[in-house]
Amino acid sequence: DQQVKQNSPSLSVQEGRISILNCDYTNSMFDYFLWYKKYPAEGPTFLISISSIKDKNEDGRFTVFLNKSAKHLSLHIVPSQPGDSAVYFCAASATRAGGTSYGKLTFGQGTILTVHP
Amino acid sequence: NAGVTQTPKFRILKIGQSMTLQCTQDMNHNYMYWYRQDPGMGLKLIYYSVGAGITDKGEVPNGYNVSRSTTEDFPLRLELAAPSQTSVYFCASTPSWGMEQYFGPGTRLTVT
Repeated sequence: DQQVKQNSPSLSVQEGRISILNCDYTNSMFDYFLWYKKYPAEGPTFLISISSIKDKNEDGRFTVFLNKSAKHLSLHIVPSQPGDSAVYFCAASATRAGGTSYGKLTFGQGTILTVHP
Repeated sequence: NAGVTQTPKFRILKIGQSMTLQCTQDMNHNYMYWYRQDPGMGLKLIYYSVGAGITDKGEVPNGYNVSRSTTEDFPLRLELAAPSQTSVYFCASTPSWGMEQYFGPGTRLTVT
């Protein structure tokens, strides 16, 4: 039972254009969502997060949108740059579960983003 | 700050051998986690710890053990290596739930 899904294994975008990465979840207890970026042979690095009390969070070129009714979130990168080429993971946590959650993250399978010059 | 460090970077084990993957963080984080990533898959939680002396199982704990004697260190032990444990292992830490986790660079383990 995959609670967090990234249905697009890969995405190819031209430099300067928008990249949109999608993520769906099934567990209604999830209330904190994160995006991580991973380069080959490195650990994931945190990119941006959003709490379920918001529907949008921006940080520079990165914006995350959350649609709670659809249990869907997306990451927008504008404008895309070749250095953005990496694997992007969506992750979710149930923070309201408090003592039983302990910040455990459930990850999607990842989407490989390639930005062409 | 070094952040989260992991050793070794690479290791090849024979079936039935044992080893310990080391993880250390210098950020004084209470919460630490071990994940494994199989090819084309997301990260799956093996074990986690909410403080020194307190550990619990994650989604895929079979074949592994952990200990947490200090805030800084969270080693992962494989007792009888099996080919199914071939994976990349990541350690992570966070100061509190509801915050992002910081990951180490990973250990690539092959069991043959």
